[in-house]
Amino acid sequence: EPEVTQTPSHQVTQMGQEVILRCVPISNHLYFYWYRQILGQKVEFLVSFYNNEISEKSEIFDDQFSVERPDGSNFTLKIRSTKLEDSAMYFCASSQGGDNYGYTFGSGTRLTVV
Amino acid sequence: AQTVTQSQPEMSVQEAETVTLSCTYDTSESDYYLFWYKQPPSRQMILVIRQEAYKQQNATENRFSVNFQKAAKSFSLKISDSQLGDAAMYFCAYRFYGQNFVFGPGTRLSVLP
Repeated sequence: EPEVTQTPSHQVTQMGQEVILRCVPISNHLYFYWYRQILGQKVEFLVSFYNNEISEKSEIFDDQFSVERPDGSNFTLKIRSTKLEDSAMYFCASSQGGDNYGYTFGSGTRLTVV
Repeated sequence: AQTVTQSQPEMSVQEAETVTLSCTYDTSESDYYLFWYKQPPSRQMILVIRQEAYKQQNATENRFSVNFQKAAKSFSLKISDSQLGDAAMYFCAYRFYGQNFVFGPGTRLSVLP
């Protein structure tokens, strides 16, 4: 079964550093998403991306966040200057489009900011 | 704004027994999707079951079934013949057409041998 692949599985970074979280969505999917889950809390929507642009973003997705699809396969989330409160599990997801098609979530990247 | 509530932060069940996890949601829409996701200790998000709101028939996937009460905005998950591998965090989620997921706070399920 096709998978959404996320790398790395765990990233530790110093406060103030930039991090890039990488995702390889399923190849024929057109919609891409990032979600965040702070430890012990619920999963929260960050951003959705379609046709090479952001289609929707939450209030969490402020100026320190950006997304990019640099080539035909990768979908990245960049955090410019990490803060302690950015420590969370970050999930990438993709979907083929429309609502007859479900999401597929990746296995997540655990980001720890120290 | 849509909200999803799971009133049971923790539940436990004996192996081979049946357990029901509760979920209620709030929406003004008539067509939408509801989901249950399982998150084991690995923290991967695994789709358990989904339900289209326009379908009256309750979704079933092997040992997992839902009780969808649209008027009451209730979407409970029943796990039959519980197995040790069912132990996980379970999230109820709502999604309106073309929009992102709204997740509930989760229910931690323990399965006792």
